[in-house]
Amino acid sequence: NAGVTQTPKFRVLKTGQSMTLLCAQDMNHEYMYWYRQDPGMGLRLIHYSVGEGTTAKGEVPDGYNVSRLKKQNFLLGLESAAPSQTSVYFCASRPGPAIANYGYTFGSGTRLTVV
Amino acid sequence: GNSVTQMEGPVTLSEEAFLTINCTYTATGYPSLFWYVQYPGEGLQLLLKATKADDKGSNKGFEATYRKETTSFHLEKGSVQVSDSAVYFCALSDHAGGTSYGKLTFGQGTILTVHP
Repeated sequence: NAGVTQTPKFRVLKTGQSMTLLCAQDMNHEYMYWYRQDPGMGLRLIHYSVGEGTTAKGEVPDGYNVSRLKKQNFLLGLESAAPSQTSVYFCASRPGPAIANYGYTFGSGTRLTVV
Repeated sequence: GNSVTQMEGPVTLSEEAFLTINCTYTATGYPSLFWYVQYPGEGLQLLLKATKADDKGSNKGFEATYRKETTSFHLEKGSVQVSDSAVYFCALSDHAGGTSYGKLTFGQGTILTVHP
């Protein structure tokens, strides 16, 4: 089925370790986003991309890096994981500006625990 | 900046009860408004949306009306079912053609539990 696929679904890291979360979409969407979800705080935007080769900071970018080398993939990296990065991470995508008022398509999430 | 405020939860109802989840927003210009639903263990799914004042979004028996005068987008359903148990998020987006690039601002979410 078409959509947004996130890998892995679960991961436990030790403090200081690094990892990369992968997001892949097969809908030819221009825009992609990484959010984190924490209890009582809704979803907060980490980084986003408006096209291949572009990235921009969102609301809570510190401690994360991203890359969009191919249009269909958006990678989120943690260089040195901290317990404060324990969260559920969601990737989302949408078409570019030519299609207005379009909702996001979300992946199923990655649950990350940093111990 | 933009912000979205949802009613405090959690909300617990009996099956067939009437549901209202309040949502108010602060934004410049004329945002689009959304309700997303998250079932246990899953990602968010678009429930309904409205793109201009007085628009009514509806889906699966849920409704919400874009009220610009009160900056609100309250979610309602006349008769809830056990299967409606989920977390509901109100969100707004500036138009994707501007420099906001369609970024969504979410409320904190409201947990709904429906008992038989």
